[in-house]
Amino acid sequence: AQSVSQHNHHVILSEAASLELGCNYSYGGTVNLFWYVQYPGQHLQLLLKYFSGDPLVKGIKGFEAEFIKSKFSFNLRKPSVQWSDTAEYFCAVSSGGYQKVTFGTGTKLQVIP
Amino acid sequence: DAGVIQSPRHEVTEMGQEVTLRCKPISGHNSLFWYRQTMMRGLELLIYFNNNVPIDDSGMPEDRFSAKMPNASFSTLKIQPSEPRDSAVYFCASSSNSGNYNEQFFGPGTRLTVL
Repeated sequence: AQSVSQHNHHVILSEAASLELGCNYSYGGTVNLFWYVQYPGQHLQLLLKYFSGDPLVKGIKGFEAEFIKSKFSFNLRKPSVQWSDTAEYFCAVSSGGYQKVTFGTGTKLQVIP
Repeated sequence: DAGVIQSPRHEVTEMGQEVTLRCKPISGHNSLFWYRQTMMRGLELLIYFNNNVPIDDSGMPEDRFSAKMPNASFSTLKIQPSEPRDSAVYFCASSSNSGNYNEQFFGPGTRLTVL
């Protein structure tokens, strides 16, 4: 069975600081990887996704993530965060061909102006 | 496209009452998912359907919970009888079987409060 680990539960940063949120998954086969964001009081929205090809994926709002197969990781990065990035971030994985997506427990990001 | 539609957006009910949550997936999507989100337990997958057939209901907490998908454009999640610990935000999501992408699109959620 596939699983996802997000080790940072709560991260507090000042505006303009750089962000890196960790995500590790366990599954030996082909995977699809996602980062979703949930702004306060809203539903989950897709930030970026990886299916194949270039392991460095660029998403919306300046976010990017790098798939490192040897480390089973898909960390989310942003060089300079803004107050509006305050949200909860979920890493997710699905194995190719199956619709079920397994979500991590989420990381709450708080950006201080 | 209107996206995934859920109703009601907010529901307040008393313990013991029946609660029905509704979801309309994105047209053309073949898979539908029901999630529950709480502060304590995070985001939990309750059940998902593929082509209207329940595939995995292992996340349904108890027999008080039931879900149906009578057709490709409508699903319900029912709690009978409801209990205060069922208070949560319930999200519905849908995805398409085409390709190999599995990207899920979430609805706005139903915030359920059981008094």
